[in-house]
Amino acid sequence: EADIYQTPRYLVIGTGKKITLECSQTMGHDKMYWYQQDPGMELHLIHYSYGVNSTEKGDLSSESTVSRIRTEHFPLTLESARPSHTSQYLCASGPRGGYTFGSGTRLTVV
Amino acid sequence: AQRVTQPEKLLSVFKGAPVELKCNYSYSGSPELFWYVQYSRQRLQLLLRHISRESIKGFTADLNKGETSFHLKKPFAQEEDSAMYYCALSGPTGFQKLVFGTGTRLLVSP
Repeated sequence: EADIYQTPRYLVIGTGKKITLECSQTMGHDKMYWYQQDPGMELHLIHYSYGVNSTEKGDLSSESTVSRIRTEHFPLTLESARPSHTSQYLCASGPRGGYTFGSGTRLTVV
Repeated sequence: AQRVTQPEKLLSVFKGAPVELKCNYSYSGSPELFWYVQYSRQRLQLLLRHISRESIKGFTADLNKGETSFHLKKPFAQEEDSAMYYCALSGPTGFQKLVFGTGTRLLVSP
């Protein structure tokens, strides 16, 4: 079934660890996005991609990095997790406005 | 700068009552406006977009450029409408990122 998948759903990790949040979509979308959302707050775009080998930073400055080696895969990496990175991370894909969102990864750094 | 304002964090109504979720925006040109919805334990999903001028699940939204508003309305609320609603904005051409408001939680009581 064409969809977008994020793993893990929940992650609790210690300070200083390297983590990768996975995002894959099987809809053939060129454009993909990562949003960060704190509880009760708006979604902030942190990274986006036009297609393979294209990555751009979004509005909200983030210490995370992304890669886009394959159309379907858009992982987000934190080299050294800190408590300030605790948040929910949402991956999405699709044309302008008509995004399909994943279920999100709720990250807690202790 | 693009900005979306949803003044109400929580809107509580009784079943059968009319609902209006407010959304105001700031944009220098002619934006595209969207409403996204997140039901409990489900993903964020597109509800409707202004260019479609459609009614989804009984909800409608009219873009008022003079008042820079895009309020979401439903004449008779149902309990299953209880959810988090986000208004979002995008520029009309090219690759324009989606900017979200902080969201309004709609609670429909029996």
